[in-house]
Amino acid sequence: EAGVTQFPSHSVIEKGQTVTLRCDPISGHDNLYWYRRVMGKEIKFLLHFVKESKQDESGMPNNRFLAERTGGTYSTLKVQPAELEDSGVYFCASSQGDRDGTEAFFGQGTRLTVV
Amino acid sequence: GENVEQHPSTLSVQEGDSAVIKCTYSDSASNYFPWYKQELGKGPQLIIDIRSNVGEKKDQRIAVTLNKTAKHFSLHITETQPEDSAVYFCAAADPYSSASKIIFGSGTRLSIRP
Repeated sequence: EAGVTQFPSHSVIEKGQTVTLRCDPISGHDNLYWYRRVMGKEIKFLLHFVKESKQDESGMPNNRFLAERTGGTYSTLKVQPAELEDSGVYFCASSQGDRDGTEAFFGQGTRLTVV
Repeated sequence: GENVEQHPSTLSVQEGDSAVIKCTYSDSASNYFPWYKQELGKGPQLIIDIRSNVGEKKDQRIAVTLNKTAKHFSLHITETQPEDSAVYFCAAADPYSSASKIIFGSGTRLSIRP
């Protein structure tokens, strides 16, 4: 069974440019989460989808970040325009969605560097 | 808001010795406490978890303890080996909530000295 996959693994962009990160969750997982880890700090929650609906987007930093999950399958996270402080590792995770399927499986992350 | 504090931020132990990482959480509704291990270039991977109806759980060299009254939980690794070197994250969640996000601690970089 394929795990959670994220693309790209690394991205270096200039301040002001746009970047789109993609996450393919484990097939059949209703829950999809985006997290971010800035250098040396905690893994911070950004957003939670249940199928195609945004369940909780309280962690999104500002309106430069836009997440979508059309059709309830893969998800994209777009940053436009990128700022220096957006640099970090962006993780995607998915889980089954029932009470027994609590375990969240993480992708390998996308390391974003804004210069 | 919900908060998970984790200590220490770095830990170096001699191979074969034990390592202990401690966390506290703020949200009383939290009842699921996973621990993740992140190796270089990889995403966090669940290594063990504990629910609030259990005080301790063991899996080979790894054990977790939970004190719900004090809102403390800990990870214990015994007989440490070089492959235990990684960043470890504690976390707390309420999976029965509609907003079942996982709140992470800041991580502990564990180094095992040969």
